[in-house]
Amino acid sequence: SYELTQPPSLSVSPGQTASITCSGHKLGDKNACWYQQKPGQSPVLVIYEDSKRPSGIPERFSGSNSGNTATLTISGTQAMDEADYYCQVWDSSTVVFGGGTKLTVL
Amino acid sequence: QVQLVESGGGLVKPGGSLRLSCAASGFTYSDYYMSWIRQAPGKGLEWVSYISNRGRTIYYTDSVKGRFTTSRDNAKNSLYLQMNSLRAEDTAVYYCARVGDTAIVTFEYDYWGQGTLVTVSS
Repeated sequence: SYELTQPPSLSVSPGQTASITCSGHKLGDKNACWYQQKPGQSPVLVIYEDSKRPSGIPERFSGSNSGNTATLTISGTQAMDEADYYCQVWDSSTVVFGGGTKLTVL
Repeated sequence: QVQLVESGGGLVKPGGSLRLSCAASGFTYSDYYMSWIRQAPGKGLEWVSYISNRGRTIYYTDSVKGRFTTSRDNAKNSLYLQMNSLRAEDTAVYYCARVGDTAIVTFEYDYWGQGTLVTVSS
């Protein structure tokens, strides 16, 4: 079965750029999306089709996907961006989530 | 506005059964694939199942095959998850979510419910 690998945690200072990676075999051949989940809340879609932002998602969120790695980039990270982030793809009629990355802004 | 509201969670003994429901509103429900996704306490997201817009295609993650059944009633704008032979490892918050792309070229979840907690314990 297909697997997606994310770093468990990442720390960034306010105003800096956070890059969260998601790795999988030939991931660049698939459509990746990203979710943000804050404590006690449901996940929110922040990137879909590798790099598209849903309405209402700030421009500081961007995405890319090539080779074996998809990346969620948060430019000018703010304290409110502190959350868990999950990548996800659809492969062979099943849905796969990465293990999640806890982003700490300090 | 799109709303997904889950219900039916609770405490159940190992081997028991539970039926979850998800009430959808604010969109043409019969146009969209729907999914169940769960999250064990302190853990990540795990896809459970999805069902096509007309209910003709259903897929499950391996760990629930033969125990869980997903169904939908488009006349009632509702999604269901019948869970049998429950195990401790099924303890989780269960979310229903909508697949945003009606053409199913991509498979992102654009709306999620608030979740309902299922606890399997003796």
